[in-house]
Amino acid sequence: GAGVSQSPSNKVTEKGKDVELRCDPISGHTALYWYRQSLGQGLEFLIYFQGNSAPDKSGLPSDRFSAERTGGSVSTLTIQRTQQEDSAVYLCASSLVAARTQYFGPGTRLLVL
Amino acid sequence: AQKITQTQPGMFVQEKEAVTLDCTYDTSDQSYGLFWYKQPSSGEMIFLIYQGSYDEQNATEGRYSLNFQKARKSANLVISASQLGDSAMYFCAMREELSNFGNEKLTFGTGTRLTIIP
Repeated sequence: GAGVSQSPSNKVTEKGKDVELRCDPISGHTALYWYRQSLGQGLEFLIYFQGNSAPDKSGLPSDRFSAERTGGSVSTLTIQRTQQEDSAVYLCASSLVAARTQYFGPGTRLLVL
Repeated sequence: AQKITQTQPGMFVQEKEAVTLDCTYDTSDQSYGLFWYKQPSSGEMIFLIYQGSYDEQNATEGRYSLNFQKARKSANLVISASQLGDSAMYFCAMREELSNFGNEKLTFGTGTRLTIIP
């Protein structure tokens, strides 16, 4: 595909369940970023990958959040034991190495009941 | 720490008029970059324009231009001849280096919701 894709587009889950969010970056983009956007807020940085490694995990809000990237391409963001405050839109972006522009996917809207 | 401030939560503008969306920033870095993104109701973040701190001229991309005033630490977005399709949330963002890899994270403002009136 031409752009960043994310799945699912919407996810409703019950409090305490685990969820997995997927991001497929633009082909050839080695840098991948996860952001979170709560209702009415700007975007909050979560984590980024350079290749398969994540040298900066400072943005993850708690140890319930984890992310991995395999093969330097697809990334999965996992939230364990979801809480209602985890409800947000989770956006993924990718860029070329040392490039200035990040290109975003359409996001996954997560609702925790 | 870097900070982006957008003081206009919402704006209403008549179609075909020009509109200016305000953005001020705070950073101690000498080298930085400023972005504007558009987020329509579909939710996707669309890159509009970029201004580097050492760029001498204001950035322009079609109907978008960035009024960069370095001394005032402002980077306002100007949309000329607004169209109905311009109705969306607009976010100002600043890049911050993360590591020696040269990649960066973006720090975002809270956004301005622009509504174009026919």
